[in-house]
Amino acid sequence: DAGITQSPRYKITETGRQVTLMCHQTWSHSYMFWYRQDLGHGLRLIYYSAAADITDKGEVPDGYVVSRSKTENFPLTLESATRSQTSVYFCATLGGYNEQFFGPGTRLTVL
Amino acid sequence: EDKVVQSPLSLVVHEGDTVTLNCSYEVTNFRSLLWYKQEKKAPTFLFMLTSSGIEKKSGRLSSILDKKELFSILNITATQTGDSAVYLCAVADSGGSNYKLTFGKGTLLTVNP
Repeated sequence: DAGITQSPRYKITETGRQVTLMCHQTWSHSYMFWYRQDLGHGLRLIYYSAAADITDKGEVPDGYVVSRSKTENFPLTLESATRSQTSVYFCATLGGYNEQFFGPGTRLTVL
Repeated sequence: EDKVVQSPLSLVVHEGDTVTLNCSYEVTNFRSLLWYKQEKKAPTFLFMLTSSGIEKKSGRLSSILDKKELFSILNITATQTGDSAVYLCAVADSGGSNYKLTFGKGTLLTVNP
């Protein structure tokens, strides 16, 4: 099916572990984004990418790493997970009219 | 730093009421303002506004932008219980060759039968 998929949808991990959240889109949209959503903070931009091999920091990039070797994939890696990274993570792409489309989200719990 | 403030933070109404949600913003290089509806899942796109004074309308929802006063409103008429959700406002910044959104914290709308 066309659209944005994220995997896993739910993840529980332990402090200090490396975790990678996957995002895949079938539209070939150039721009892709990673957000985290927390109560009291709303949606905050972690990283975004304008095209393959072009990435840039958002509002809260510390503790996260991204890559974009292919247009359709934009993985987000937590190199050493911390409890403060417990959140819901949304991937998004930018459509032709500059609207953003969101994936279903990944709920990450760091114990 | 770009900033988006939504008000009220929460609102409880009865079915059939009309509501107005507010969004004010400060952004360095304004490109557009977007409204999203979020139920218990990912945000879904409602409107994108780029020009002042032009109302966007979709069914019972409408929105307008004032670029001089730096705000937008989202109106919902004849509310239904299915309108219960968090409504998010976001502003797009197009500084340089990049493009990103800054979101407000949202307005939680509860429509009671």
